[in-house]
Amino acid sequence: EAGVAQSPRYKIIEKRQSVAFWCNPISGHATLYWYQQILGQGPKLLIQFQNNGVVDDSQLPKDRFSAERLKGVDSTLKIQPAKLEDSAVYLCASSLIDSNSPLHFGNGTRLTVT
Amino acid sequence: SQQGEEDPQALSIQEGENATMNCSYKTSINNLQWYRQNSGRGLVHLILIRSNEREKHSGRLRVTLDTSKKSSSLLITASRAADTASYFCATGTGANSKLTFGKGITLSVRP
Repeated sequence: EAGVAQSPRYKIIEKRQSVAFWCNPISGHATLYWYQQILGQGPKLLIQFQNNGVVDDSQLPKDRFSAERLKGVDSTLKIQPAKLEDSAVYLCASSLIDSNSPLHFGNGTRLTVT
Repeated sequence: SQQGEEDPQALSIQEGENATMNCSYKTSINNLQWYRQNSGRGLVHLILIRSNEREKHSGRLRVTLDTSKKSSSLLITASRAADTASYFCATGTGANSKLTFGKGITLSVRP
């Protein structure tokens, strides 16, 4: 099966600019996740979708971050405006049902904010 | 906030030796999962153990779970240089089994 696809692979922007990341999950997977991984740390959940509904967005900085999952398939994560502390790898993952089943991760987008 | 805390933070062993990594957590869980991450790549799922299970095996991997001590261990037997990576434990909690990751363990296997 094809894995989780993410783009772009790398992005460099200046602070206060906006940026968007795209994710296409594994076909048939109901749940999609966006994680933020700062260098040297474990991934932190930003938002979890089940089909096209939001299950958990308690750690999403909603004043600057937004995410949507169109038609319950692919998803975009946007940051506007970016801050220096947003420099991180943004990982998308999907699972067949929910977090009681294994998560399949994409290779991530490495964001550098200067 | 971190739920799982891995120990040690870093581990260096010789090829062929066994590697043991530990994870402790604070609240009740539905499941506990271990993942591997190679440099510059996404995480790869290794094994999932449910709260009513005590031990699981997958190839050279053995995971134990002690819910009374709120801890888990991952054993990699007969390690290989290719096992060099970061390893994360993740705990699933709540109605949706929200998955929370620890900070990870860096494993280096010397050829």
